[in-house]
Amino acid sequence: SQQGEEDPQALSIQEGENATMNCSYKTSINNLQWYRQNSGRGLVHLILIRSNEREKHSGRLRVTLDTSKKSSSLLITASRAADTASYFCATAINTGTASKLTFGTGTRLQVTL
Amino acid sequence: KAGVTQTPRYLIKTRGQQVTLSCSPISGHRSVSWYQQTPGQGLQFLFEYFSETQRNKGNFPGRFSGRQFSNSRSEMNVSTLELGDSALYLCASSSLQGAGKTQYFGPGTRLLVL
Repeated sequence: SQQGEEDPQALSIQEGENATMNCSYKTSINNLQWYRQNSGRGLVHLILIRSNEREKHSGRLRVTLDTSKKSSSLLITASRAADTASYFCATAINTGTASKLTFGTGTRLQVTL
Repeated sequence: KAGVTQTPRYLIKTRGQQVTLSCSPISGHRSVSWYQQTPGQGLQFLFEYFSETQRNKGNFPGRFSGRQFSNSRSEMNVSTLELGDSALYLCASSSLQGAGKTQYFGPGTRLLVL
């Protein structure tokens, strides 16, 4: 079953606008990661935020994490047409030696000119 | 460094057949994980291998199996294919073992079962 639920399922904005997508999860986590997927291809890692961090930046990306609410948000500022993709949050749970990621349902972002 | 490579990229099989997919991780990466992606179920974890040993397994039937070789390359096998096995199969590698390390994904193998 999915660990995370993402909201909204789909988002359409114009180039230059900001895009915000949210992720909620169910259990305690080690860290939360965001990935991008273009048209059914492989996933590209965007950013990782650890459970003891509240906010992280990478270029035009800003991620927040609220462990008390079990939620995270990804903000893409000044969006570009090339940002059109599906975005997934993925949670990592400490299972000792395992590297299992549990993915959310994804948000489809469409950026139009 | 070259990225994760997966072969073949596309595959068409019929019900009842078996299939083997291959994944070559980034050089130096010893952990390989497999995921299945379908429109209905989304991205689901299949299994993870590290140093030729399966370290973790998702909730898939025994028809799904895998292995890892001494050079860290991995294969997954699906026997007695069903229509519902049609999916994008993604392989990911990471340099370390352990929860939540960044994983680097390959382009995937798209399997269609007729």
